[in-house]
Amino acid sequence: EVQLVESGGVVVQPGGSLRLSCAASGFTFDDYTMHWVRQAPGKGLEWVSLISWDGGSTYYADSVKGRFTISRDNSKNSLYLQMNSLRTEDTALYYCAKDVVPAGRDAFDIWGQGTMVTVSS
Amino acid sequence: SYELTQPLSVSVALGQTARITCGGNNIGSKNVHWYQQKPGQAPVLVIYRDSNRPSGIPERFSGSNSGNTATLTISRAQAGDEADYYCQVWDSRDVVFGGGTKLTVL
Repeated sequence: EVQLVESGGVVVQPGGSLRLSCAASGFTFDDYTMHWVRQAPGKGLEWVSLISWDGGSTYYADSVKGRFTISRDNSKNSLYLQMNSLRTEDTALYYCAKDVVPAGRDAFDIWGQGTMVTVSS
Repeated sequence: SYELTQPLSVSVALGQTARITCGGNNIGSKNVHWYQQKPGQAPVLVIYRDSNRPSGIPERFSGSNSGNTATLTISRAQAGDEADYYCQVWDSRDVVFGGGTKLTVL
């Protein structure tokens, strides 16, 4: 079964740091571009970041650029999001998602169930 | 930055056809993808590249894209189709989502 499972979400104070993980199974992980997408409570979807199949290319939404770092370990079929200098507006459910095609820049066909990050004092 | 505009809500009678629009500047030149999200669940891809259905998505779901508007059409609407629907495109290196449309089946 193709599956993505996120973990690492907790309550953290403003200015704090957090690392999210996403474990992939059921497909050839190192063939695909991967993404993080977030959803604030009661709000819509917001794309956060992507990483190419080999980790050689990464891109970020302006709202997180300079604070978040996406990475992957293909030997462990895992995707990560290092989140620093967290703000209250980063409070959201964070999803990892798989691109439909290896080259990326397409739709997201597989999503995890999400992990909740709450930034609050 | 590129913006996508969706109606906040759309209502459809049971068994009728629902149409959800996604507006953007010359969106017809882009590939548009659509996601369905039910309460408490992750999004599910229902249409990709304007009009293609992933495996397992009913034929009742279809899509079109031209000019400044893309449209998701749900035929013979069922109670189980009640959900939020999001359109999505790529703009340069960025992913852009529409604000989402809540579909109510009456």
